[in-house]
This record gives sequence, structure tokens and C-alpha cells, in this order.
Amino acid sequence: GQSLEQPSEVTAVEGAIVQINCTYQTSGFYGLSWYQQHDGGAPTFLSYNALDGLEETGRFSSFLSRSDSYGYLLLQELQMKDSASYFCAVRDGRGSTLGRLYFGRGTQLTVWP
Amino acid sequence: EPEVTQTPSHQVTQMGQEVILRCVPISNHLYFYWYRQILGQKVEFLVSFYNNEISEKSEIFDDQFSVERPDGSNFTLKIRSTKLEDSAMYFCASRGLADIQYFGAGTRLSVL
Repeated sequence: GQSLEQPSEVTAVEGAIVQINCTYQTSGFYGLSWYQQHDGGAPTFLSYNALDGLEETGRFSSFLSRSDSYGYLLLQELQMKDSASYFCAVRDGRGSTLGRLYFGRGTQLTVWP
Repeated sequence: EPEVTQTPSHQVTQMGQEVILRCVPISNHLYFYWYRQILGQKVEFLVSFYNNEISEKSEIFDDQFSVERPDGSNFTLKIRSTKLEDSAMYFCASRGLADIQYFGAGTRLSVL
């Protein structure tokens, strides 16, 4: 089966840097995605890694190590609006090419002024 | 920016009633998904859909669930006889050629 582990909550102050880790177990790994969700709203796509290494998109970066079944999301220059839940999601590559996503339980990030 | 739209935003129904949740995926996307999120829990896959047929479904997606793409723009999820445990946020997602799924704002289904 599939399982993903991420911390349940993280707190930081404005302007700081925070890293949210995700470890996964999957029988058919294809890629790791990160989504942001405010107050139960739409999961908003942030980043996707299919290959090892770092992907940078503005203040957000995501890293993947397939050999370690590990990834992280790095948020820099934190702002109050970054307070949200962050989910890692594994893209299943078995069988169908459509690729269902398996989500972690989410990390609640609280940014303090 | 193109987005996935879902209606209604909130649906209240009585147990045993049928509900239809509607989604308009991003216009040039070809792959469609339904997920659900029970309050306080993680997002769970329900079903994927491509070329007018189900590609994959989870164990949650039993005979009470069905999906349809009745025209070129809409993608619906029907629950024939709702149960209390169907209460959740239901998210529609779509994907184009890039391997990124974009989610709608969701429909909150409350079964009384």
C-alpha cells in the first residue's frame, strides 16, 4: 500500500524559513507533489518533483530523494498568508497513466508576526 | 487563470437521497478525478476518468457512486443513496498533458 508521513504542525515567525518533511512508502512511485490548503478550501498546487533534486518556484522550493523515499517543502521569507495546511502527495505510477494521488495527513503551518 | 469550478459549494441532503455534484474542469484538460476529504482527515482518491470511461477507482467508490461526462464541459459525481458517512468535502481535479492535477474549491456535502 501507500503511506506518507509528515509532521502534523509547524510554527514559525514572519520572515523565517521553514522546512516540511515528507517520507513515503509506495509500491509504484512516479512523483511527489505539494499542495497548499487554506481552511478546507481547494488544494492549490505548489510543486512537483519526479526526479531527485531541488525545484525552486519563488519563495517555495521542493526537494526529492527517491533513494531515501523522502522529500521536503522549503518555504522562505514566510508571510502571514502562508499559514495553511501543506500536503505532500505521491503520484502513483502503477498501471493507469492517469496517476491517482495519495495524500499525507497534512502539516498545519502557523506563521506568527 | 483557468480554474476548475464546482457547484454547489454546499449541499445538504437527507440520508438515502441522491445527490449530483458538478464540476467544470479546465477546458483543454483530458483527465478528470474526484477526491473527498472527511473533516480533519486527508484527501482520498475516489475515481479517475479519461476518454469517457473510468480509468481507476478506489475501494471507497462502490456501487452507490457513479461519474459521468454528459457533455464537453461538465463532469459529475452521483451518489445514489447517501449515507451519513458520505458527509465530506468532495473535490474535482483535472489534468492536462503536464502531470499536475488542479483542484476545484470543493462541494461540502452534509448528509442528515
